[in-house]
Amino acid sequence: EDQVTQSPEALRLQEGESSSLNCSYTVSGLRGLFWYRQDPGKGPEFLFTLYSAGEEKEKERLKATLTKKESFLHITAPKPEDSATYLCAVPGSARQLTFGSGTQLTVLP
Amino acid sequence: KAGVTQTPRYLIKTRGQQVTLSCSPISGHRSVSWYQQTPGQGLQFLFEYFSETQRNKGNFPGRFSGRQFSNSRSEMNVSTLELGDSALYLCASSLDVKPQETQYFGPGTRLLVL
Repeated sequence: EDQVTQSPEALRLQEGESSSLNCSYTVSGLRGLFWYRQDPGKGPEFLFTLYSAGEEKEKERLKATLTKKESFLHITAPKPEDSATYLCAVPGSARQLTFGSGTQLTVLP
Repeated sequence: KAGVTQTPRYLIKTRGQQVTLSCSPISGHRSVSWYQQTPGQGLQFLFEYFSETQRNKGNFPGRFSGRQFSNSRSEMNVSTLELGDSALYLCASSLDVKPQETQYFGPGTRLLVL
């Protein structure tokens, strides 16, 4: 059974204070790892897909990396508008996404 | 290109009633998946449809059902509602059914069962 664990559960940062979110996974065969951002009351917004260990992707202040056991979402010089819950997910062989419980990020001005 | 749309956005029902939720995928996307999100259980997979056929189903009771139409639009139905069915129901669409294909989510339907 696929498992995804995210840490920390919650993270409070000052504006400009860089940090990283962790996503550990256990899957029978990695078919990709997805990062989403979710604002309260809204659906998850797609950020990145990573397919193989060593792969990195960037978007504005976010950078996602992947190893054989975990993925990191690095946030550089965050702004208050980066506050959201960040979710990672892996697809099973039948395509259903298994999600982690998310990291709730708060960036204080 | 318009994103995934879901209607209605909010719904209040009472126990024992049934409800139908609708999802229109991104134009050209043929796969539609449904997920339930609750504070306690997080995001959980309900089912997936492709070419009007259910391809996969999550661990939910038979009260939860769905269908897909020839234009790829999808509906899900929950019969005999229970208090525990209160949740955000999310629809996601993707181009096809490869596991690595990105799933794009709609805004969700917030269901409250009283």
